[in-house]
Amino acid sequence: DVVMTQSPLSLLVTQGQPASISCRSSHGLVYPDDGKAYLNWFHQKPGQSPRRLIYKVSARDSGVPDRFSGRGAGTDFTLEISRVEAEDVGVYYCMQGTHWPWTFGQGTKLEIK
Amino acid sequence: QVQLVESGGGLVKPGGSLRLSCVASGLTLRNRYMAWIRQAPGKGLEWLSYIYSDYTDTKYADSVRGRFTISRDNAKNSLFLQMNSLRVEDTAVYYCVTGPEIRLPQFWGQGTQVTVSS
Repeated sequence: DVVMTQSPLSLLVTQGQPASISCRSSHGLVYPDDGKAYLNWFHQKPGQSPRRLIYKVSARDSGVPDRFSGRGAGTDFTLEISRVEAEDVGVYYCMQGTHWPWTFGQGTKLEIK
Repeated sequence: QVQLVESGGGLVKPGGSLRLSCVASGLTLRNRYMAWIRQAPGKGLEWLSYIYSDYTDTKYADSVRGRFTISRDNAKNSLFLQMNSLRVEDTAVYYCVTGPEIRLPQFWGQGTQVTVSS
């Protein structure tokens, strides 16, 4: 299985400051049939289902603030929050949808100082 | 507004069975993939299985293959997961998911809790 490794596992950020989460995959994530990388980012608040933020590395979902951005290629991907707000607390997961079984990272917990 | 509502979870003894259901509203499931993902207590997320509308494409994770069976009823806009030979390690919240591309799960249900314990 493709292993998705996130770092850091925990982030303590001052409101208004930037944050960055790294996600590394054990295999390249380009799907041979279409040449796209199926790398998603999700945000899960306590007691809620995960919500997709970013898909195909850098495409932002409708309604997701533009302070969230995704980038990367090959096996290295990053989720960046330009200015953290109180509502951003929770756990962030990366997920690859290229190689079955599709797999998630272990999660990064974001807290506000 | 898309809504997925799971049901059927509960407490079951090891070796027992449960059948989870997921009913969708706000979208038609015909010609869409659907899938089940679970989240064990305090742990991460695990893909279990997916199914295409006409059953031509179905996959299972190794951890559930041979014990769990995914199915659907397009006429009722519903997805199911028959879980047999349940183990303590199957304890988790089970989510129903779908989206325009199943590799990019966009819509999630609220989840249903399954607890396997003697």
